[in-house]
Amino acid sequence: GENVEQHPSTLSVQEGDSAVIKCTYSDSASNYFPWYKQELGKRPQLIIDIRSNVGEKKDQRIAVTLNKTAKHFSLHITETQPEDSAVYFCAASPSSNTGKLIFGQGTTLQVKP
Amino acid sequence: DGGITQSPKYLFRKEGQNVTLSCEQNLNHDAMYWYRQDPGQGLRLIYYSQIVNDFQKGDIAEGYSVSREKKESFPLTVTSAQKNPTAFYLCASSQMGGSEAFFGQGTRLTVV
Repeated sequence: GENVEQHPSTLSVQEGDSAVIKCTYSDSASNYFPWYKQELGKRPQLIIDIRSNVGEKKDQRIAVTLNKTAKHFSLHITETQPEDSAVYFCAASPSSNTGKLIFGQGTTLQVKP
Repeated sequence: DGGITQSPKYLFRKEGQNVTLSCEQNLNHDAMYWYRQDPGQGLRLIYYSQIVNDFQKGDIAEGYSVSREKKESFPLTVTSAQKNPTAFYLCASSQMGGSEAFFGQGTRLTVV
């Protein structure tokens, strides 16, 4: 069935360092890959997304890369700040075009001042 | 003020009771979803609906039921058949065809 694997489950970095979170997906026809940030006790919010016709997308300190052949995509955060501390989820939209998202297990990012 | 609203924020259920979680959106989105969030397991899909009066089971539908009588509303009932209902429940909506999902603020359900 449809599956998304996310690693690592926890990540601790020093302020100013970069953080990388990786995800793999099973449905080769998936065409939409969003990343969500969830702060403690709050709702997940979209921070960046990428579609299957694009290999890389950047928005200020965050970027996402997509390798369709290998079926994996990654989130890159540069110059991390304490307010980047949160749980990050990757997701993939399967080919069935229902709009539903299959989520990874989440990565808890801690940025130490 | 456009958005997606869940209520209540906290809900307590006694063993053997059914409870209903509310989800309303005014974003004019066709699709709506219910996810369950447990620590370390990400968001797991319970049910989703693409149009009024139609819905499909997600990965963990057992012990849950939904209805979609109006485009704006997608309530979730947690039945007594759900053996481990304590969790954080998130409702979301989106346009069809792979696009951003907007989430409600969640309902934390606890069995007492």
